[in-house]
Amino acid sequence: DGGITQSPKYLFRKEGQNVTLSCEQNLNHDAMYWYRQDPGQGLRLIYYSQIVNDFQKGDIAEGYSVSREKKESFPLTVTSAQKNPTAFYLCASSLVGQGSNQPQHFGDGTRLSIL
Amino acid sequence: QKEVEQNSGPLSVPEGAIASLNCTYSDRVSQSFFWYRQYSGKSPELIMSIYSNGDKEDGRFTAQLNKASQYVSLLIRDSQPSDSATYLCAPCSRGSTLGRLYFGRGTQLTVWP
Repeated sequence: DGGITQSPKYLFRKEGQNVTLSCEQNLNHDAMYWYRQDPGQGLRLIYYSQIVNDFQKGDIAEGYSVSREKKESFPLTVTSAQKNPTAFYLCASSLVGQGSNQPQHFGDGTRLSIL
Repeated sequence: QKEVEQNSGPLSVPEGAIASLNCTYSDRVSQSFFWYRQYSGKSPELIMSIYSNGDKEDGRFTAQLNKASQYVSLLIRDSQPSDSATYLCAPCSRGSTLGRLYFGRGTQLTVWP
């Protein structure tokens, strides 16, 4: 079955620690995205990537980093510079369309908390 | 920052009723509009997309778009308790080749038996 796999499902971070969230897709989608969702809030875009080895900052990129070495993978690192990392992190992917905008499809998410 | 406003919830309707979810957006160049359903503790699931003015029907769901008024809505007919979820409106603002989605805060819908 094609889909988007995020791991781990739950993650705990200690003070001063960097943690990496995994996102893998086998949908052959070119574009991948990372969002953050806080309780009662909409999704906010952290980073997105249209092609391998290229990515752009979203609205709240400070304290986060990404890489896109393979089409299938788009890991997100939450660095110690992110002072309020507790949130639900969602990875999404989509085709890149020329004539119309393609919908994004989401993984199951990772819940990150501070110890 | 592009704004997306959804009718404040929670919205509560009886089983079998029509649920009406509304959304306005600030970006006039938005071309595509998506509705996602998010159950509590789960990730968003795409349920409808609409690209041109007018109505689009898919089963019990109807999306309505009015670009001149910058308004999009979702109607759920014959509402079921399983429809109880938060519904997210997401207009897509097109960049050079890749559109960005901007999400509203969502409207929480409860369908009671």
